[in-house]
Amino acid sequence: GQQLNQSPQSMFIQEGEDVSMNCTSSSIFNTWLWYKQDPGEGPVLLIALYKAGELTSNGRLTAQFGITRKDSFLNISASIPSDVGIYFCAGQSRQAGTALIFGKGTTLSVSS
Amino acid sequence: DVKVTQSSRYLVKRTGEKVFLECVQDMDHENMFWYRQDPGLGLRLIYFSYDVKMKEKGDIPEGYSVSREKKERFSLILESASTNQTSMYLCASSSPILANTQYFGPGTRLTVL
Repeated sequence: GQQLNQSPQSMFIQEGEDVSMNCTSSSIFNTWLWYKQDPGEGPVLLIALYKAGELTSNGRLTAQFGITRKDSFLNISASIPSDVGIYFCAGQSRQAGTALIFGKGTTLSVSS
Repeated sequence: DVKVTQSSRYLVKRTGEKVFLECVQDMDHENMFWYRQDPGLGLRLIYFSYDVKMKEKGDIPEGYSVSREKKERFSLILESASTNQTSMYLCASSSPILANTQYFGPGTRLTVL
């Protein structure tokens, strides 16, 4: 079946540093989504990408839909303590229909 | 703002009990989903529904059933709860009008003793 490889699995950074994480797939996706999940809470949508090459920002967050349609990255600039959490990528393909394929998540820790 | 609510944040049940998890969305979304989330396994799709009274099995439907009698409400049923169903359960909804982007509820942490 379709799989998403998300890396890194975890990151430990200092407040103020920039962060980059990415997802790659063996198959083409029509949509890439990035979510953040705080402990004990549901995932919250950060950025949605719908076109190959699309670059979208949401405050200090920037995400891009890779031109091959098989990858996406998320950057966080000038990290702050409240950025701590698990970041998930998710992709949607024609094969999967309305269902999403999820990455395993990147756990971000920020020390002040 | 899209709002997806789940009936309980925390639930403790005994083995063999019948368990109902309720999910309600207020955005008139056609599609609704139930996932479970376990450490190291990520999010796994249990069931989804693309219309009232319609349901489709996801990746791990065994031991679960669902009900969608109204567009805004999607229920997950554990017919006879077992300890291996202890997990975080997440509901989501989406609409083709919004490119099927999924929005999640806050989750229900279920413990089966």
